[in-house]
Amino acid sequence: EVHLVESGGGLVQPGGSLRLSCAASGFTFSNYEMNWVRQAPGKGLEWLSYISSSGSGGYAADSVKGRFTTSRDNAKSSLYLQMNSLRAEDTAVYYCARVRDTSFGVDYWGQGTLVTVSS
Amino acid sequence: NFMLTQPHSVSESPGKTVTISCTGSSDSIVSNFVQWYQQRPGSAPTTVIYESKRRPSGVPDRFSGSIDSSSNTASLTISGLKTEDEAVYYCQSYDSATWVFGGGTELTVL
Repeated sequence: EVHLVESGGGLVQPGGSLRLSCAASGFTFSNYEMNWVRQAPGKGLEWLSYISSSGSGGYAADSVKGRFTTSRDNAKSSLYLQMNSLRAEDTAVYYCARVRDTSFGVDYWGQGTLVTVSS
Repeated sequence: NFMLTQPHSVSESPGKTVTISCTGSSDSIVSNFVQWYQQRPGSAPTTVIYESKRRPSGVPDRFSGSIDSSSNTASLTISGLKTEDEAVYYCQSYDSATWVFGGGTELTVL
């Protein structure tokens, strides 16, 4: 069974940094592309970034480009989101999501981790 | 920038059929697949339709997806509505290295 478990969320001050992790199990992680998606309180889903299965390629939404970096360690079946220069508007639940191998869509989601940016 | 527009909310009675629309700002919705995700309160999203009209295993056949290329609109139809179908439904597609979600449609079954 596929499992994606995010961790690393918490309270951080504006301008601070945080690194989220997503531990994958139940499938061959290195075969799958991955995404990060977030959801601000009471708001809709916002795509943040995509990373290729090898980790050699990827792209990000303009809203986080230059501040957030996505990486992965296939040996550890883990996905990461390094978030710098955090702002209040980055407060959200952050989900990692596995990309379906036949389309630009998600087939499995993690349960999410909450990041709160506040002084 | 490519956008997907959904109605904010819809409501229907149990046992009835409801259709949620998702209109793309360009024909990318036709050339790239559309996915539909269900999100119940307090839970992560789950996939109910992928590749515009396919159902993942475990999703009942009451859920169906379609595309109208003449209007750049994808639709999610849920028949035989049940109270458990109450949720927010998001459409999602892709265009030029950008994944795009619709704003979500809150479905009320009453």
